[in-house]
Amino acid sequence: GAGVSQSPRYKVAKRGQDVALRCDPISGHVSLFWYQQALGQGPEFLTYFQNEAQLDKSGLPSDRFFAERPEGSVSTLKIQRTQQEDSAVYLCASSLEGYGYTFGSGTRLTVV
Amino acid sequence: TQLLEQSPQFLSIQEGENLTVYCNSSSVFSSLQWYRQEPGEGPVLLVTVVTGGEVKKLKRLTFQFGDARKDSSLHITAAQTGDTGLYLCAGERDNQGGKLIFGQGTELSVKP
Repeated sequence: GAGVSQSPRYKVAKRGQDVALRCDPISGHVSLFWYQQALGQGPEFLTYFQNEAQLDKSGLPSDRFFAERPEGSVSTLKIQRTQQEDSAVYLCASSLEGYGYTFGSGTRLTVV
Repeated sequence: TQLLEQSPQFLSIQEGENLTVYCNSSSVFSSLQWYRQEPGEGPVLLVTVVTGGEVKKLKRLTFQFGDARKDSSLHITAAQTGDTGLYLCAGERDNQGGKLIFGQGTELSVKP
């Protein structure tokens, strides 16, 4: 597609529920990033893929967070046993090497 | 500890006024990017600066990268109501795989 597509746009989860957030990057973009944006704050880095390889996952807040990109295109961010502090907008971005990033519109996760 | 300090956090001005947003750090960045984000959407890249002292202009927006590559500014001339939004600076450091460190953002409101 023309842009980075994220689904769902909105997700309400009960505390303790598992969720899966999907990102469809721009076709051919090698690099894919996940960021977490709390209300009124700038995005914070979670993890980074180059093709199917997860090269940096230093930003994942706990072992309840897991990301994958098995075929080097679509990526899924999974959060197990969601907690209230996980409520945020989760942004996905993709890029060609050496060029700027294109962000998706994000998934707003609310844990109740 | 915020690696990139952005100021001011909130700015409300009248149409036609000028404004400057600052982004400061004690760390050196290989490049610095400025984004604009509207409610419910992902950040959209405005500009990337890579050379110390670099100045880039985008219509009424002027971006500057500090000589030491530790700070940057965004100046808007004759603001318009359409400039309203969240402005984010984001730095990239060497050998970090393209990971971005974002400032907290500046919420700009331009009133008619």
